[in-house]
Amino acid sequence: QKEVEQNSGPLSVPEGAIASLNCTYSDRGSQSFFWYRQYSGKSPELIMSIYSNGDKEDGRFTAQLNKASQYVSLLIRDSQPSDSATYLCAVGSSGYSTLTFGKGTMLLVSP
Amino acid sequence: EAQVTQNPRYLITVTGKKLTVTCSQNMNHEYMSWYRQDPGLGLRQIYYSMNVEVTDKGDVPEGYKVSRKEKRNFPLILESPSPNQTSLYFCASSGRSYNEQFFGPGTRLTVL
Repeated sequence: QKEVEQNSGPLSVPEGAIASLNCTYSDRGSQSFFWYRQYSGKSPELIMSIYSNGDKEDGRFTAQLNKASQYVSLLIRDSQPSDSATYLCAVGSSGYSTLTFGKGTMLLVSP
Repeated sequence: EAQVTQNPRYLITVTGKKLTVTCSQNMNHEYMSWYRQDPGLGLRQIYYSMNVEVTDKGDVPEGYKVSRKEKRNFPLILESPSPNQTSLYFCASSGRSYNEQFFGPGTRLTVL
């Protein structure tokens, strides 16, 4: 059974701070890793993808992957109240056919 | 505008009454998938399709059917809905296997 674990939160940070979201996964053969943002009542929206070890930056977002530790994280710099949402970690199977999602971490950014 | 559409967006039905939730994408994507989202359980994959006439089970396929006769459409069929299928359903599509999936707006289904 493939598992993706996330702290459910809520993670509360003040506006302007760095928010750090973490995810661990069980399938050592996983090849692809994604972060989705989901606002309340809305559908998930892809914000980052990462495929190799190390960091990947896109604007205020940085995804970090460590396959040896089976760990992926998302850093949000200069957090804004509009970043308040649930962040879903998703891990692609080694067979390139299915995504397994974590249950999500709720982020609250206070003005 | 590139999008995934689902219909209906909201549906209340009764146990045993067959229903179909439609999903259509206009991005010429090969990969399409259905998920259900439940509080405390997160997003779980029901079925996916790698291409026309190619479908396979996800993690929670029991009680559901799908078909992929055209590239753009991937309907979800509940032949005999039960109350435990009350959930929020999302259709998603991707141009490359499961990567970078675009999600539809969701269908909230209530089975009484």
